Amino acid sequence: AQSVTQLDSQVPVFEEAPVELRCNYSSSVSVYLFWYVQYPNQGLQLLLKYLSGSTLVKGINGFEAEFNKSQTSFHLRKPSVHISDTAEYFCAVSDLKRGSARQLTFGSGTQLTVLP
Amino acid sequence: DGGITQSPKYLFRKEGQNVTLSCEQNLNHDAMYWYRQDPGQGLRLIYYSQIVNDFQKGDIAEGYSVSREKKESFPLTVTSAQKNPTAFYLCASRAPGGRNEQFFGPGTRLTVL
Repeated sequence: AQSVTQLDSQVPVFEEAPVELRCNYSSSVSVYLFWYVQYPNQGLQLLLKYLSGSTLVKGINGFEAEFNKSQTSFHLRKPSVHISDTAEYFCAVSDLKRGSARQLTFGSGTQLTVLP
Repeated sequence: DGGITQSPKYLFRKEGQNVTLSCEQNLNHDAMYWYRQDPGQGLRLIYYSQIVNDFQKGDIAEGYSVSREKKESFPLTVTSAQKNPTAFYLCASRAPGGRNEQFFGPGTRLTVL
């Protein structure tokens, strides 16, 4: 079984400042890692994913994340945020076991609010 | 355009009534999922289906039922046995092969009056 912890439920930040949203996971097997963004009353949109290879992953809208296996973390970063980045962000994991249903286990979400 | 559609966007139900939420995809994906979202709790898996005519319970299946008669469709029924059905419901499908990413519909907000 896997679990995901998003350490901050709310992150306020001023426009053009950098931001980091933290995510730690727990799993007894190797995992895939994802970050999704959700705007109010909408579905989830994939920001980026780590499947294998380079531990620094670049996604859409200028976001990036770094996979750290020793610390079991997958923190999301953006060097300069915009008002339009205000949304809820979810970290998720999926196991790599052969034959598994590959369902996603989600963290509880981080509300990013960008202030003018 | 390929994607996932959910209907209706908003749904109101009286206590004791069953209600069915629609989910349709034209992405030709085999695997489909239903999640429930409550404030501050992230998304929790209700049911999933890896292939037509097969589905499995997720973490919170009690009070829900599904069917998968066609590849494109995975409707969710919220029964009167579900104690607290007011929530935002999201349907997803998974890309095949190694990509493993899930694509989400726009969601249905169910309110029990």
